[in-house]
Amino acid sequence: GNSVTQMEGPVTLSEEAFLTINCTYTATGYPSLFWYVQYPGEGLQLLLKATKADDKGSNKGFEATYRKETTSFHLEKGSVQVSDSAVYFCALSRSGGGADGLTFGKGTHLIIQP
Amino acid sequence: SQTIHQWPATLVQPVGSPLSLECTVEGTSNPNLYWYRQAAGRGLQLLFYSIGIGQISSEVPQNLSASRPQDRQFILSSKKLLLSDSGFYLCAWDRVPNYGYTFGSGTRLTVV
Repeated sequence: GNSVTQMEGPVTLSEEAFLTINCTYTATGYPSLFWYVQYPGEGLQLLLKATKADDKGSNKGFEATYRKETTSFHLEKGSVQVSDSAVYFCALSRSGGGADGLTFGKGTHLIIQP
Repeated sequence: SQTIHQWPATLVQPVGSPLSLECTVEGTSNPNLYWYRQAAGRGLQLLFYSIGIGQISSEVPQNLSASRPQDRQFILSSKKLLLSDSGFYLCAWDRVPNYGYTFGSGTRLTVV
């Protein structure tokens, strides 16, 4: 079946450092890929997405490229801020469409220190 | 604009008591609706999804059930809670399947 693997952390960085959170997936067909962010005590917010190979999703300085050859969708940001501290989830859609949900990774807890 | 509401925000219930969590969406019609559970260290688990009134699909057989009595209302229920039902419950919706959800703010359930 489909699965998503990501580093769980916590990942601790200093402000203005470069960020990479790895995400790899296993899926049949051609899934869409997503990154969600969860701030403490809140629900999840869609951060960015990519729907086909080589697409780059970007938002709020974050970006991720859909790499089919390596089945990866790594999240990057050039200079992180304290306000980026949150849990980040990588997710994929099930191929073939249909309203049957996304598959999520376990989440990566990111801590940015001033 | 579309909004999604979940309540209550937090809930503490004794083992064996019933449960009812409600989720409503405003500003859209015929949404796809989802219930997820987030347990500590285990990521998000899809519990139920619905593509229309009275149409419920269950992903994981367990102590919970879901209903959709109206187009924009999705209810998660249990007749008798277990300790293992504790967790953070999230409702979500979309219109175009798998193009990104909008999540509610969640309900923190603690079964004691």
